[in-house]
Amino acid sequence: DAKTTQPTSMDCAEGRAANLPCNHSTISGNEYVYWYRQIHSQGPQYIIHGLKNNETNEMASLIITEDRKSSTLILPHATLRDTAVYYCIASSISGTYKYIFGTGTRLKVLA
Amino acid sequence: GAVVSQHPSWVICKSGTSVKIECRSLDFQATTMFWYRQFPKQSLMLMATSNEGSKATYEQGVEKDKFLINHASLTLSTLTVTSAHPEDSSFYICSARHRTLGGHTDTQYFGPGTRLTVL
Repeated sequence: DAKTTQPTSMDCAEGRAANLPCNHSTISGNEYVYWYRQIHSQGPQYIIHGLKNNETNEMASLIITEDRKSSTLILPHATLRDTAVYYCIASSISGTYKYIFGTGTRLKVLA
Repeated sequence: GAVVSQHPSWVICKSGTSVKIECRSLDFQATTMFWYRQFPKQSLMLMATSNEGSKATYEQGVEKDKFLINHASLTLSTLTVTSAHPEDSSFYICSARHRTLGGHTDTQYFGPGTRLTVL
């Protein structure tokens, strides 16, 4: 499974878009990019995932570069409840399908 | 969405005792479940992969005789911490693999976690 790297922390003003980058330069062709977030003392919450096309759901948008070496999670209108640690994971559903968590990005939404 | 529960949500036990944590997929069947451990201010660390009806696969450095995993049904996996010691105090989180029929990939859904404190 490819390793991912993310900035340690980011701040975002409430109501503004939060753009969280992730680098996965060693990703293989059959590995998907998954995003989760973890609010303090809770289990990770699934946000979105994708392979190569951009994806959008009710929570966020996922932009994957054409070479698939990096991606950006976009929270279009951040609220205080979006304050959390965000994890980007690359994993393949074939084989072991393990998730290897990196350090994640601690997003703080400021009022 | 797919829901995963854990029980108990927190437990305090004496050193040397064993503690069992249950992980259930409530609205889907999961042939594969995963167990993670998280220490304060650290990321999740995968401990083992639990497959229904077969032995669990443990990550390097995780003692299989200390962390017993049973996945007896498609909706239940259990983690038993045997002879617990204070250094086993941690946040234990399970996840279940949700297979999407006709969808384009699988997704892991996580339980709320169990906080274990060993005195």
